[in-house]
Amino acid sequence: GAVVSQHPSWVICKSGTSVKIECRSLDFQATTMFWYRQFPKQSLMLMATSNEGSKATYEQGVEKDKFLINHASLTLSTLTVTSAHPEDSSFYICSARGTLQETQYFGPGTRLLVL
Amino acid sequence: GEDVEQSLFLSVREGDSSVINCTYTDSSSTYLYWYKQEPGAGLQLLTYIFSNMDMKQDQRLTVLLNKKDKHLSLRIADTQTGDSAIYFCAETRGTYKYIFGTGTRLKVLA
Repeated sequence: GAVVSQHPSWVICKSGTSVKIECRSLDFQATTMFWYRQFPKQSLMLMATSNEGSKATYEQGVEKDKFLINHASLTLSTLTVTSAHPEDSSFYICSARGTLQETQYFGPGTRLLVL
Repeated sequence: GEDVEQSLFLSVREGDSSVINCTYTDSSSTYLYWYKQEPGAGLQLLTYIFSNMDMKQDQRLTVLLNKKDKHLSLRIADTQTGDSAIYFCAETRGTYKYIFGTGTRLKVLA
C-alpha cells in the first residue's frame, strides 16, 4: 500500500517551453501533496504544499507563477514548470499523505533537463 | 541553527554495523523519519519514531532518539552492499511539513 507514482520519469525540453509533471497516489486518497526539488548531491528542498481543491502554499523564494501546482483530485497533483530555463534542471520529487496520516509517501522522482 | 544536520559520508565493511547520526532542530517534532535514496530514485521510507519514544527496533534497523540533545541515530546491523545509498533524516515542522537533513552517503565495502 501507499504507492505514489510520477510521470514522466525524465524529460528533456528546450528553453522557454513548459513542462508538466504528474504525481498520483495509486492506492490511497491524498489529502495533501508536496513538491520537492533536489539538486545533485544535495538534500530535498520543499517547494510547495497543496491540498485538494485549494491553492498551493509556496515556500519562501519559490515563484508561484513559474511553478504552477494543481491538486484537482484526491489522487492527482500536477507541477508545471513554465518557460523553463537551464537553471530549472533538477530532480523533482512529489510526496503524498492521506487524511489523518502523518507520514508522507514519495514518488520515484522526475528528472528534468532544460537545454 | 535552522538546518537538520548529518555527516556527509560513512564507509563500513560488509557485515559490520553502520550508525548514521542526525541533529534536528525542532523540539516539537511529533515524528522523526529515516528515508533511503538509491541513485536516481525517489525516497523509500525506512522507519520512523514517535517523539515520546527513546528507541525503536525494526529487523536490522534500530532508531535511537535523544530529545534533550535533539539527536537521532539509525543503526543498521549486518550492513550489506545493497544498503549503499544516501540516508536522510527528516523532522516534522508545523503541520505535516518535513525538513530533511543534509543526507549521509553510506558506502558498504565488500
